[in-house]
Amino acid sequence: DQQVKQNSPSLSVQEGRISILNCDYTNSMFDYFLWYKKYPAEGPTFLISISSIKDKNEDGRFTVFLNKSAKHLSLHIVPSQPGDSAVYFCAAEETSGSRLTFGEGTQLTVNP
Amino acid sequence: DVKVTQSSRYLVKRTGEKVFLECVQDMDHENMFWYRQDPGLGLRLIYFSYDVKMKEKGDIPEGYSVSREKKERFSLILESASTNQTSMYLCASTPLGGYNQPQHFGDGTRLSIL
Repeated sequence: DQQVKQNSPSLSVQEGRISILNCDYTNSMFDYFLWYKKYPAEGPTFLISISSIKDKNEDGRFTVFLNKSAKHLSLHIVPSQPGDSAVYFCAAEETSGSRLTFGEGTQLTVNP
Repeated sequence: DVKVTQSSRYLVKRTGEKVFLECVQDMDHENMFWYRQDPGLGLRLIYFSYDVKMKEKGDIPEGYSVSREKKERFSLILESASTNQTSMYLCASTPLGGYNQPQHFGDGTRLSIL
């Protein structure tokens, strides 16, 4: 039972354009959501997070949107840069504890 | 900055061997986690620990065990390695409570079982 799903295994965008990565979840107990970025042969690095009391959180070029009624979140990267090319994982945490549930990941490729 | 160090970047072992993967963190974090990452499956939690000598099963604990003798060190053990345990293994940590705090990851161990 995949509680966090990233339906797009890959996404390709042009440098300077917007990248939109999507994530859906099914567990209503999730109330904290995170995005991680992972380069090959490295561990995931934390990118940005959002609590369920908010619907938007912004950090520089990165913005995360949360739609609780649709159980959907998205990561916007504007403008996209070639160095953003990586696998992006969406993750969710329940109120009760610190363990995370991850999505399958989306490979983002930003073309120069 | 939090530093999570995994002892090996690449490891090749044979079927049936007992395999130890080591993870050390330097930030005095109480919570430590072991995941495996496989293409199309994302990161799946194997085991985690909230304190020394404490362990909890994650989503895929079968074929694995763990050891947490010291706060900074969390070991993953493959009791009798099998080819379906070939994977990227990732260790992570968070401080006490850990809620609403991102996990910090090591660089991973790419394990191949032949």
